[in-house]
Order: sequence, then structure tokens, then C-alpha cells
Amino acid sequence: DVKVTQSSRYLVKRTGEKVFLECVQDMDHENMFWYRQDPGLGLRLIYFSYDVKMKEKGDIPEGYSVSREKKERFSLILESASTNQTSMYLCASSAGETGTDTQYFGPGTRLTVL
Amino acid sequence: AQKVTQAQTEISVVEKEDVTLDCVYETRDTTYYLFWYKQPPSGELVFLIRRNSFDEQNEISGRYSWNFQKSTSSFNFTITASQVVDSAVYFCALSGFNNNDMRFGAGTRLTVKP
Repeated sequence: DVKVTQSSRYLVKRTGEKVFLECVQDMDHENMFWYRQDPGLGLRLIYFSYDVKMKEKGDIPEGYSVSREKKERFSLILESASTNQTSMYLCASSAGETGTDTQYFGPGTRLTVL
Repeated sequence: AQKVTQAQTEISVVEKEDVTLDCVYETRDTTYYLFWYKQPPSGELVFLIRRNSFDEQNEISGRYSWNFQKSTSSFNFTITASQVVDSAVYFCALSGFNNNDMRFGAGTRLTVKP
């Protein structure tokens, strides 16, 4: 079974803090993704990575950066957290070279920025 | 541009009733994939099914069935004899060839009452 883990289930931070969200997958998948989930909006792609040290912007990259130093680990960074970044953050991974492969998700991190 | 519409925001049924969750999509691609995911209260998105655009056969898996109709751009999901454990948010998603093509609907919250 594919296993995607995220470092925290719940996180509370203050405005202006630097926030790191960590994601690890154990299936040697090439691709990893970060989404945010907001009520009524579904999931929106922030960034994805198709290889170590490679990254591409998704639909809503503003205010975020990512890091992928090892194949199994993909980090989402909020350089200076703001209240409008309060959301549920979901990490996913997939095996293949295209978007047609199934993405497998972690349990999510619910981030609150005060 | 790709788009997925789940018009039903919330559905409430009584246990053992059948329920259908609607999904309508828009795409200009001739090759694409459709997905359904389940998000129980724990938060993790659980993969249910992946279907490519060339396979219009309906699929049944236990109490779950999916009806794919290209003529109406729909990929509806039916749960037969619903159970309380089916209570969750269900997402329909559409993906094209590229890794950043995945588009999710807003989700349908299903509540099954005992």
C-alpha cells in the first residue's frame, strides 16, 4: 500500500512566522504535490515536483515555496504566514510521468494562522 | 480549460437508501482520466476509482457503481444500500496529460443517518 505521511495533523502559527509542512512517501514515486483545500473550492494545486530538486508552480503558488532535496520528501514553506493561508493542506504522490496516474494522499495538515 | 462541477453540495439519506453523486466535467482533451476520491472525517483522501476517456463501460465494486457517459460529460457515482460509514465528502476529479492538469470538483458532503 502507498503510504503518504504529513508531519502534523494540526498546526497553529502566528502571522509573519515561517512555517514548514513536511510530507514523506514510501513508494518511490516520482511526483509529489501540495494542495490546499477550502470549503466550496475543492482542492487547488500549489506546487508539484516531478523529480528531486525539480518543481513547478500550480494554480496558486503565491506566498508559498517548496523544497525537494530527497525523492521521498517534499516540503511546503510559508515564508511569512498570513491569515488567508489558514486552510487544510494535502500532500499527494504519484508514480508516472504524466498526470494520468493516480495520486495518493496524506492525511492532511490543518493550519490555522492567527 | 478543464473544469469539474459537483452541483450537489450536501446530501443526506437514511441508511439503506441508494444515493447518486453527480459529476459533470469540461475538457478539450480527447484523452483524459476521471477519478473519485472519498474524504472521511479523518481527512485523508481515499482513492476509489480511475477511468480513462476511452472506456465507457460502467463499473461496479461491491455497493459502489460508476456511470460514465461521454455524451453528457458525466461520471456519476452511486452507492447502493448506503451505510453510516459512507458518510464523507466525495470528490470527483479530472486529469489530462500533464501533472498539473488535475482538477477537482468542490466536493459533495454525504451524510448517512442510521
